[in-house]
Amino acid sequence: GAGVSQTPSNKVTEKGKYVELRCDPISGHTALYWYRQSLGQGPEFLIYFQGTGAADDSGLPNDRFFAVRPEGSVSTLKIQRTERGDSAVYLCASSFGLAGVNEQFFGPGTRLTVL
Amino acid sequence: AQKVTQAQTEISVVEKEDVTLDCVYETRDTTYYLFWYKQPPSGELVFLIRRNSFDEQNEISGRYSWNFQKSTSSFNFTITASQVVDSAVYFCALSVLLDYKLSFGAGTTVTVRA
Repeated sequence: GAGVSQTPSNKVTEKGKYVELRCDPISGHTALYWYRQSLGQGPEFLIYFQGTGAADDSGLPNDRFFAVRPEGSVSTLKIQRTERGDSAVYLCASSFGLAGVNEQFFGPGTRLTVL
Repeated sequence: AQKVTQAQTEISVVEKEDVTLDCVYETRDTTYYLFWYKQPPSGELVFLIRRNSFDEQNEISGRYSWNFQKSTSSFNFTITASQVVDSAVYFCALSVLLDYKLSFGAGTTVTVRA
């Protein structure tokens, strides 16, 4: 079966621009997570969805970041007025069942570069 | 808050040597879950193993084995008879019941030389 997919794989943008990153989770997985991974570091939690609602967005660094999952499947991470410090790999993961218990399956990530 | 520490930044071995990766975790929760993930050069995180806090039994799965000790808050991972394809960054991660997010360590880069 298909794994978690993310598009685009690479995104280069200029400071101040708006970007959208898409995640398509594994079919049937109700939980969806966004993480951010900076070079040489482990992934850091951004936001978690259970179904359509954002159950926890405490990891979003500021109000320039926003994510949606309108139909409980595909999710979009939106970044407004991008800054150079936003450059990182953005990872999406999904899991089945009770959140935190089951393993999360990760997508290949979107590498965002802000010039 | 949860914290995971991987003190080893890099490990380099020759093929067929064993590699042990250290992981120390901190949590106040009594129910928690520990994971190891592998991130090869391609970049995609691959799930390897999971243990819950109630099960300290150590197991072997193929060339992988792990040593979970609650007394020292450690969850070490061993690759036996390493192969070049094992070269990757390995991450230890922790989650607690009803707090779904994974807290990752900084990762250990393993290089296996032929």
